[in-house]
Amino acid sequence: ILNVEQSPQSLHVQEGDSTNFTCSFPSSNFYALHWYRWETAKSPEALFVMTLNGDEKKKGRISATLNTKEGYSYLYIKGSQPEDSATYLCAFTNSGYSTLTFGKGTMLLVSP
Amino acid sequence: KAGVTQTPRYLIKTRGQQVTLSCSPISGHRSVSWYQQTPGQGLQFLFEYFSETQRNKGNFPGRFSGRQFSNSRSEMNVSTLELGDSALYLCASSPGQGPQPQHFGDGTRLSIL
Repeated sequence: ILNVEQSPQSLHVQEGDSTNFTCSFPSSNFYALHWYRWETAKSPEALFVMTLNGDEKKKGRISATLNTKEGYSYLYIKGSQPEDSATYLCAFTNSGYSTLTFGKGTMLLVSP
Repeated sequence: KAGVTQTPRYLIKTRGQQVTLSCSPISGHRSVSWYQQTPGQGLQFLFEYFSETQRNKGNFPGRFSGRQFSNSRSEMNVSTLELGDSALYLCASSPGQGPQPQHFGDGTRLSIL
């Protein structure tokens, strides 16, 4: 059974704060690590798909890093805005198939 | 490009009944995956279909089944419904090969009375 852990479980920050979350995954048989944002009443939206050790991806104020040797990825949000409030999910896959194992997510609340 | 469409959006059933959920993937996507979301749990993988074949299956009882049609549309069936089957069921589509992001539908909220 693949185990994907995310921390913290929830986070409450003020507008303008920068924040980061952690995703831990098995370091063996790594294929790809996905990040998704899931806003209330919407469907999960893909942020990044990362495959290479040391990879860094950026999308606006959100960026992510990947360490496949030690099995973790960080998601950073710079200057959080209320519209960033959502649950952030990471998912691990060990093959080229589409099977993803998700963590339970980090719920972010950004107050104005 | 139309997104992933799931029907129905909401469903209320009673214990012992069966239910069929439908998922239409993004045009050109050949892989459809199904997930269950219950309170306190992450997205739990049910199964994945690619080109009409079940390619992977999660750890769910045989009451949960699915299929995929030649146009890549997929259905999920749950028989002999139990209270614990109350959940949000999400489907996601992707091209099916290589490290591609999955595109999710809005889900079907199933409530069992």
